[in-house]
Amino acid sequence: NAGVTQTPKFQVLKTGQSMTLQCAQDMNHNSMYWYRQDPGMGLRLIYYSASEGTTDKGEVPNGYNVSRLNKREFSLRLESAAPSQTSVYFCASSVRGQGNPNEQFFGPGTRLTVL
Amino acid sequence: QKEVEQDPGPLSVPEGAIVSLNCTYSNSAFQYFMWYRQYSRKGPELLMYTYSSGNKEDGRFTAQVDKSSKYISLFIRDSQPSDSATYLCAKAGTASKLTFGTGTRLQVTL
Repeated sequence: NAGVTQTPKFQVLKTGQSMTLQCAQDMNHNSMYWYRQDPGMGLRLIYYSASEGTTDKGEVPNGYNVSRLNKREFSLRLESAAPSQTSVYFCASSVRGQGNPNEQFFGPGTRLTVL
Repeated sequence: QKEVEQDPGPLSVPEGAIVSLNCTYSNSAFQYFMWYRQYSRKGPELLMYTYSSGNKEDGRFTAQVDKSSKYISLFIRDSQPSDSATYLCAKAGTASKLTFGTGTRLQVTL
């Protein structure tokens, strides 16, 4: 069981370039999430997918798009990267979309620098 | 005002000390609170969760929620160097979304 995997681990982009961050989970979880983590700001939710076929905006969705490709995979796309998107990005998954408590399992993160 | 406020630290304590980590929250409509631990350059992992009031103990860790003052605490007894990490409090909302505090960095020294 690999849990939640993310690719790439590191990425450097120039302003205006695009890229897709990949996330996959092998725990048969319904819900998946994308966060960014910045110093002094904590973890902030970008987008989430409560179940396959649905996606919703989180706290900081501007500049990002997501695709829930299937139950296992949830990708995050930056169409035109900006220096303000320099951050560490975490993908997470959880068992169900409703009800609590609901432990979220996190991937190892992608460190993105936009020059 | 952020929904969950947390002192970022860093907090440095000697091995064996009792550690108290705290958060405050502003919305009373939530029932569950969680503590995540994050080692350097790793993803967060759930340490423990508790309901909206009372204490929960798990080994050296105790989570406490004071609903009247909207205060969440994590106590670590007999702290060890392996406890050195960032601790994030979170409250659970709708659609299983979590709102995190900024995290407190803890260093336990020998």
